[in-house]
Amino acid sequence: GAVVSQHPSWVICKSGTSVKIECRSLDFQATTMFWYRQFPKQSLMLMATSNEGSKATYEQGVEKDKFLINHASLTLSTLTVTSAHPEDSSFYICSARAGSHQPQHFGDGTRLSIL
Amino acid sequence: RKEVEQDPGPFNVPEGATVAFNCTYSNSASQSFFWYRQDCRKEPKLLMSVYSSGNEDGRFTAQLNRASQYISLLIRDSKLSDSATYLCVVIPTGGFKTIFGAGTRLFVKA
Repeated sequence: GAVVSQHPSWVICKSGTSVKIECRSLDFQATTMFWYRQFPKQSLMLMATSNEGSKATYEQGVEKDKFLINHASLTLSTLTVTSAHPEDSSFYICSARAGSHQPQHFGDGTRLSIL
Repeated sequence: RKEVEQDPGPFNVPEGATVAFNCTYSNSASQSFFWYRQDCRKEPKLLMSVYSSGNEDGRFTAQLNRASQYISLLIRDSKLSDSATYLCVVIPTGGFKTIFGAGTRLFVKA
């Protein structure tokens, strides 16, 4: 149980392109979903927290207009990296949890490479 | 002081060894605790929850010490496949935040 699917796994695109990443909880309803970014050999960095039907809460330093998050249902959240540039290249990982003291379950991650 | 602190390692141990990691947390009102493992270039995966009475899952034993505010993970009979980064996770009362430690790297060698 507790499967989270993230799509796509790998994206390579030109600078200036917007990229949309989907995160789905397949076998549970996720009250909260999280978006992280991780650079090589570094720790997970929380970008934002989203609850279904409400606006995402962004961490300090994360541009909400650059990283658009939509949590449309209890099983789907999307992250759109708008007008991506090479410095946005990273490993983006979503996670979801069923309740406030439940563990987070992670998607497989999306490797984003901007040329 | 970081909210959750772990020794980054790396811990280099031979196969068959027993290895233990500690993780300290600063918020005494923390309520839920977990250990995750993360393989290189992969997502974190839940290894086990940590219960007040301590719990075991095969070769893995987790302990919680509320008085000293730390949790531990013990791995017995280490396997090559145990090589990974182990992340300590704490959820304070209220459940609004999930705090990840920076991780402890383990290398198990033949």
